[in-house]
Amino acid sequence: DVKVTQSSRYLVKRTGEKVFLECVQDMDHENMFWYRQDPGLGLRLIYFSYDVKMKEKGDIPEGYSVSREKKERFSLILESASTNQTSMYLCASSLSPDRATEAFFGQGTRLTVV
Amino acid sequence: GQNIDQPTEMTATEGAIVQINCTYQTSGFNGLFWYQQHAGEAPTFLSYNVLDGLEEKGRFSSFLSRSKGYSYLLLKELQMKDSASYLCAAMDSNYQLIWGAGTKLIIKP
Repeated sequence: DVKVTQSSRYLVKRTGEKVFLECVQDMDHENMFWYRQDPGLGLRLIYFSYDVKMKEKGDIPEGYSVSREKKERFSLILESASTNQTSMYLCASSLSPDRATEAFFGQGTRLTVV
Repeated sequence: GQNIDQPTEMTATEGAIVQINCTYQTSGFNGLFWYQQHAGEAPTFLSYNVLDGLEEKGRFSSFLSRSKGYSYLLLKELQMKDSASYLCAAMDSNYQLIWGAGTKLIIKP
């Protein structure tokens, strides 16, 4: 079974803190994604990566950065957390950037910024 | 622009049948995905359609009409555990997923 693991299920951080969300997948997938999910808005893509050291902006990259130093690991960084970044963050991976394959999701990190 | 529409919420009775509709507009098309998401959990893959027609998988079926930009997910013999959100996502010509906001399905006994 494909497994996508996010480092934390719940996080509470203070405004202005630097926040790291980690995601690891164990199936040698090329694609990795970070989404945020808010009620009524569905999944919104923050950043994605189709290879090590490669990153592409999604629909809402402002206030976020990412890092992919190894194929299996994709990190989301909130440089200076703000209350409007309180959300559910979902990491996902899929096999390859040029094929229609399903995405596998991690269990999600519910981040609260106070 | 690219857009996915699906109803916000639906209610159905245990043992009944429910159809969740999804319409999409994308730049190119590489298929339509349905995911199930229980409250507080990650989305899990249900089905994928790229050709017109109906794909059946146990109690769940998914239909696609490319010419109409339309899909539906059909759930039969509803069980209480089917209470969840159902997410529709279309894949565009760049193999990027465009997500709907999800349909919350409430099952009543």
